[in-house]
Amino acid sequence: GQNIDQPTEMTATEGAIVQINCTYQTSGFNGLFWYQQHAGEAPTFLSYNVLDGLEEKGRFSSFLSRSKGYSYLLLKELQMKDSASYLCAARPAGTALIFGKGTTLSVSS
Amino acid sequence: KAGVTQTPRYLIKTRGQQVTLSCSPISGHRSVSWYQQTPGQGLQFLFEYFSETQRNKGNFPGRFSGRQFSNSRSEMNVSTLELGDSALYLCASSGSPQETQYFGPGTRLLVL
Repeated sequence: GQNIDQPTEMTATEGAIVQINCTYQTSGFNGLFWYQQHAGEAPTFLSYNVLDGLEEKGRFSSFLSRSKGYSYLLLKELQMKDSASYLCAARPAGTALIFGKGTTLSVSS
Repeated sequence: KAGVTQTPRYLIKTRGQQVTLSCSPISGHRSVSWYQQTPGQGLQFLFEYFSETQRNKGNFPGRFSGRQFSNSRSEMNVSTLELGDSALYLCASSGSPQETQYFGPGTRLLVL
């Protein structure tokens, strides 16, 4: 079957670095997405990986290993506004995006 | 560019009624996907449309249906509403099915 796993909750402090892991099992693979969703709001796009390696975008980076079915989102210099749910989504071959249930990140001062 | 818009934003219905939700994609986007989001299940895929054709359908009962118009706007309909249909319904658009999806603000449906 097709499945995405990510931790349910994580906590961190302001200024720290946090890594949110995601493992996936899909029939074929056409890319891995990360979205951020604040409470009561719609998901917003953060990053996209289709090749192995690290993609850096400001304070956020995303890594993909296709052979391991593994990705992570790295958040540096955490700020209170980074408290949100982070959704990992994979695109199998020829079908729609599959989303994980999200990781709720709480950043404290 | 204006983002994805969804109407209405909030809706209260009673069991047995039907509801139609609307989604206008980002200008130039031809692919629209619909998702249901609940606290326990996360984002569940409903349908994907591209150029007025349904490309994929999620594992939802036949009470859930959708369509896409020639201007890429999309509607989804839920008939014979059940309490369990209470959720946030999100629409996302992309230039094509393989591209990044951008989400609208959602329609929050409450079924009493």
